[in-house]
Amino acid sequence: DTAVSQTPKYLVTQMGNDKSIKCEQNLGHDTMYWYKQDSKKFLKIMFSYNNKELIINETVPNRFSPKSPDKAHLNLHINSLELGDSAVYFCASSRDRGVNTEAFFGQGTRLTVV
Amino acid sequence: AQKVTQAQTEISVVEKEDVTLDCVYETRDTTYYLFWYKQPPSGELVFLIRRNSFDEQNEISGRYSWNFQKSTSSFNFTITASQVVDSAVYFCALSEALGAGSYQLTFGKGTKLSVIP
Repeated sequence: DTAVSQTPKYLVTQMGNDKSIKCEQNLGHDTMYWYKQDSKKFLKIMFSYNNKELIINETVPNRFSPKSPDKAHLNLHINSLELGDSAVYFCASSRDRGVNTEAFFGQGTRLTVV
Repeated sequence: AQKVTQAQTEISVVEKEDVTLDCVYETRDTTYYLFWYKQPPSGELVFLIRRNSFDEQNEISGRYSWNFQKSTSSFNFTITASQVVDSAVYFCALSEALGAGSYQLTFGKGTKLSVIP
């Protein structure tokens, strides 16, 4: 069983479209994250939810909206896609939001905006 | 401000050589954790190790070892007798306090290791 799974793995879409990426974790963790990895491999956090509550919202355009229907799911919806949104998006989860908890990552979703 | 620096962008070694990946961090927190992650060519991120700021003992796991030096703010990672399967991008990360008991991981820019057969 995959611990953190995200779908789809690849997403190619045209500029201006709206798309969603889904993420589910079966680890019983309380905290979930979205990270963006750019073409230079730099990983930067976008959002974090703890028990369905938003706790981190970095300077991300408001075209990006996370939604957590329950603590096992954290979906990412992106409106009006732009070329610069092309990246790999990683979902992750951790036991809690404490200093010592490692994050477990999904396989990533490679988004290509054309 | 918090920062993680991995000065080596890319390293190439011949199989069976030892290699050390450097990580230097900056933080004002007195309690913090450091992590290493591996990202193989397949793309997933694999957790390797976690180390807290109060434990400076070196750790060894098979061919992997980690050297944490608080005095130099470094948390270096050594692979002994490297193998082709070790080829990956390796990320060092630091837990960053956000307040109200919340933390997030701040990643370095990664070091791409290529092990040549």
